[in-house]
Amino acid sequence: NAGVTQTPKFRILKIGQSMTLQCAQDMNHNYMYWYRQDPGMGLKLIYYSVGAGITDKGEVPNGYNVSRSTTEDFPLRLELAAPSQTSVYFCASSLLSTGELFFGEGSRLTVL
Amino acid sequence: DAKTTQPPSMDCAEGRAANLPCNHSTISGNEYVYWYRQIHSQGPQYIIHGLKNNETNEMASLIITEDRKSSTLILPHATLRDTAVYYCIVPTGTASKLTFGTGTRLQVTL
Repeated sequence: NAGVTQTPKFRILKIGQSMTLQCAQDMNHNYMYWYRQDPGMGLKLIYYSVGAGITDKGEVPNGYNVSRSTTEDFPLRLELAAPSQTSVYFCASSLLSTGELFFGEGSRLTVL
Repeated sequence: DAKTTQPPSMDCAEGRAANLPCNHSTISGNEYVYWYRQIHSQGPQYIIHGLKNNETNEMASLIITEDRKSSTLILPHATLRDTAVYYCIVPTGTASKLTFGTGTRLQVTL
């Protein structure tokens, strides 16, 4: 049982490039989330999903897109990367809408 | 989410109890209090949550005041590995949209 797996762990992008951060969970959780954390700050919710085929915006969705075609996977797409998207990205999942969130180890993205 | 207020930092001697306070004066009757912690740059880790009764698990105890306007997370015997940022969260609506503030940075020292 691997829990929540994020790839890549580190990535450097040039301004204007695009990429996808991968997130997979093997706990059969319905709920999945993407957060970002800037240095010295708390986590901010980007997007979340309550099940396959259903996604919704969080606090800071601009510049990002998500899809949820399966229960296990919740990729985060960055289009036209900007320096403001330099951050650590965390994916999380939970079985229910209330209760414990399980987080991945994070993906550190730098946009130069 | 209902607003929470936590001290920015606290120190605790190893082996002593760490008591981390949180004010949530605008909490509604059906809103839970959640606690998470983040060790260094790792993903946050769930600790405990409660509604109005005190809760205890293998990691910590959660004491919620009778009026539910504040709570205290207690680590009974803090160790160096408990050094982390602790987040108190009171989500509104569904807990699927937890908002993490800046939390309390707990430093456990020898």
